[in-house]
Amino acid sequence: RKEVEQDPGPFNVPEGATVAFNCTYSNSASQSFFWYRQDCRKEPKLLMSVYSSGNEDGRFTAQLNRASQYISLLIRDSKLSDSATYLCVVNMNSGYSTLTFGKGTMLLVSP
Amino acid sequence: EAGVTQFPSHSVIEKGQTVTLRCDPISGHDNLYWYRRVMGKEIKFLLHFVKESKQDESGMPNNRFLAERTGGTYSTLKVQPAELEDSGVYFCASSQDPSNSYNEQFFGPGTRLTVL
Repeated sequence: RKEVEQDPGPFNVPEGATVAFNCTYSNSASQSFFWYRQDCRKEPKLLMSVYSSGNEDGRFTAQLNRASQYISLLIRDSKLSDSATYLCVVNMNSGYSTLTFGKGTMLLVSP
Repeated sequence: EAGVTQFPSHSVIEKGQTVTLRCDPISGHDNLYWYRRVMGKEIKFLLHFVKESKQDESGMPNNRFLAERTGGTYSTLKVQPAELEDSGVYFCASSQDPSNSYNEQFFGPGTRLTVL
């Protein structure tokens, strides 16, 4: 079983649509959780951290279910500029922050 | 403020040759990480420096890879001799305070290594 598992997509959606990505992780002792965004041939950039209470940043909402070892990202009112690969990332270590990445989910938003 | 920088952006070498990648972290970041993405796979952790010390090198694939961070500033990752399977994108990241597990890691643009 992969440590962090995501549906690779691609998800093809029209502008204005709502889209949801899911991710599961294998280590129940994982400490912290993130969604990173990666544009084609660029570096990953932090989109948002995911807290147990869930959190929202504008059109983006992230949720964490520790019992099910499941993380989600919801994007509302999709923009063309949201087209990218979304990486589910988990810190499985206590103490220091070494990140474990999923392969990513590709999102394509069309006009 | 300058971000994480990496050099070179691309490197094409032949099997058996040596390549050295360089990473300059954000100024003041004691923590420096190397990651790698090989084609078709996820980004994987290689190692973590705290200042000049190796905190965790559990992700280093084998002894053909040598990372250094003399003086606790920039870091180099040397591959010697390079093999075909070493091809991929090598990312460097830095952060301030990893004792906070939500501390953000800032990634450099990566070095795309191709071994022929």
